[in-house]
Amino acid sequence: DADVTQTPRNRITKTGKRIMLECSQTKGHDRMYWYRQDPGLGLRLIYYSFDVKDINKGEISDGYSVSRQAQAKFSLSLESAIPNQTALYFCATAPGSGDIQYFGAGTRLSVL
Amino acid sequence: DQQVKQNSPSLSVQEGRISILNCDYTNSMFDYFLWYKKYPAEGPTFLISISSIKDKNEDGRFTVFLNKSAKHLSLHIVPSQPGDSAVYFCAASGGTDKLIFGTGTRLQVFP
Repeated sequence: DADVTQTPRNRITKTGKRIMLECSQTKGHDRMYWYRQDPGLGLRLIYYSFDVKDINKGEISDGYSVSRQAQAKFSLSLESAIPNQTALYFCATAPGSGDIQYFGAGTRLSVL
Repeated sequence: DQQVKQNSPSLSVQEGRISILNCDYTNSMFDYFLWYKKYPAEGPTFLISISSIKDKNEDGRFTVFLNKSAKHLSLHIVPSQPGDSAVYFCAASGGTDKLIFGTGTRLQVFP
């Protein structure tokens, strides 16, 4: 089983819909991250969390919100999806500061 | 403002030859650099890293070189194999607990 699991793997939704992407990990790491990947832009940080009570905005947090329900779970929500949020979304975890991040397999989201 | 740049979107190399992937950065506060490899339909996986106190780190066929004065790092793969065909991202961090990623280079290794 994967150490970092993202659900769903693929999702098609319509403009204006609320959608939640979920991430769970069995690695026991405190730090969790959400990125999006767009062609030609690499991976950009949306939100990150150092523990259950600590949530921080990344470079592109507008239009997104997150919830850290437990050490192992970190969810990303799009309150009202728009077409330019069509992208590949990745969750990552890390044990501590400056450490290697471990990624999930990604969620491909299409907003029509 | 792209702090980490990979100026070559793609690279094609013959099997057995050397692959050299390049990465430039602008922030002199970066002190830790990583390379990730990504296959289609999978997440990025860590490949190799280097601290700013070193100028070279080697792991099997993979070597990363860091030139701090030029703010440049490179990944050498020798010999290249077809299974190395993937997208490679360089990333940097500098005391902020965040990684800044480059845009990626797609490597194709052909027989």
